[in-house]
Amino acid sequence: NAGVMQNPRHLVRRRGQEARLRCSPMKGHSHVYWYRQLPEEGLKFMVYLQKENIIDESGMPKERFSAEFPKEGPSILRIQQVVRGDSAAYFCASSRGQGSSGYTFGSGTRLTVV
Amino acid sequence: TQLLEQSPQFLSIQEGENLTVYCNSSSVFSSLQWYRQEPGEGPVLLVTVVTGGEVKKLKRLTFQFGDARKDSSLHITAAQPGDTGLYLCAGSRNSGGYQKVTFGTGTKLQVIP
Repeated sequence: NAGVMQNPRHLVRRRGQEARLRCSPMKGHSHVYWYRQLPEEGLKFMVYLQKENIIDESGMPKERFSAEFPKEGPSILRIQQVVRGDSAAYFCASSRGQGSSGYTFGSGTRLTVV
Repeated sequence: TQLLEQSPQFLSIQEGENLTVYCNSSSVFSSLQWYRQEPGEGPVLLVTVVTGGEVKKLKRLTFQFGDARKDSSLHITAAQPGDTGLYLCAGSRNSGGYQKVTFGTGTKLQVIP
C-alpha cells in the first residue's frame, strides 16, 4: 500500500450535481478523517469515521454533505446539489489509532463547481 | 475563534537565513504535530512532540514543545529553497471522548534562491 489513496485528483461539477470523493486509507489504518482546505488557508475538520461508524461529524454541514466508511471499500465523502462555495481541496487522512501521533494524508481531491 | 494561531502567516526569506515559526494556544494539548504541505499535495508529518519542554531535531529543523504544552516553535537553520511550503501545526486533546486533532492557521514560507 503506497499510502492514503484519494480519487479523483480533480473533479469538476456543475451546480446542482453530486460529487463523490473516495479515500482508501493506509493498510492497517481503521481511522479516517476528512478535511477541507481553501486556497491560502489551513485545514478545516469535517468528519472522523472509524469502520462503519461516524465518531465526530461536528465540522460537516448538516445539509447536502454525508460521509461513510463501509466495512469493505473506501470511505466516501458525498456532496449533493453542489454550489460554487463547495469548491475547495478535500483531504483525507488515516491513522492506526486515534491520531495523536499524527496522520497520513492523501494527495487530495480538488473540486471545482462551475 | 481559532484554537491554534500560527505566526507569521507569511514569510519570504533569502536562502541561508534562519527563521522561526510559532504556534500558540490558550489550550493544553496532549501532543502536537508539525506538517509541511507543498502545492498540490497533502500535508506530510514532520514530527510529533509529547512532553512539555521537549525538543526534537530533524536535520536543519528544530521543534520545541512549550513547558505548559500550550505552544510550540519550529526553527529552521540555513533555509533552503526546498523548505518552501505551508507549515501547519496540529494539536491533539481529549474532546468528546477521543483525541481530537485541530490544525493551526498555517505559515506559508518562501525561500528565495
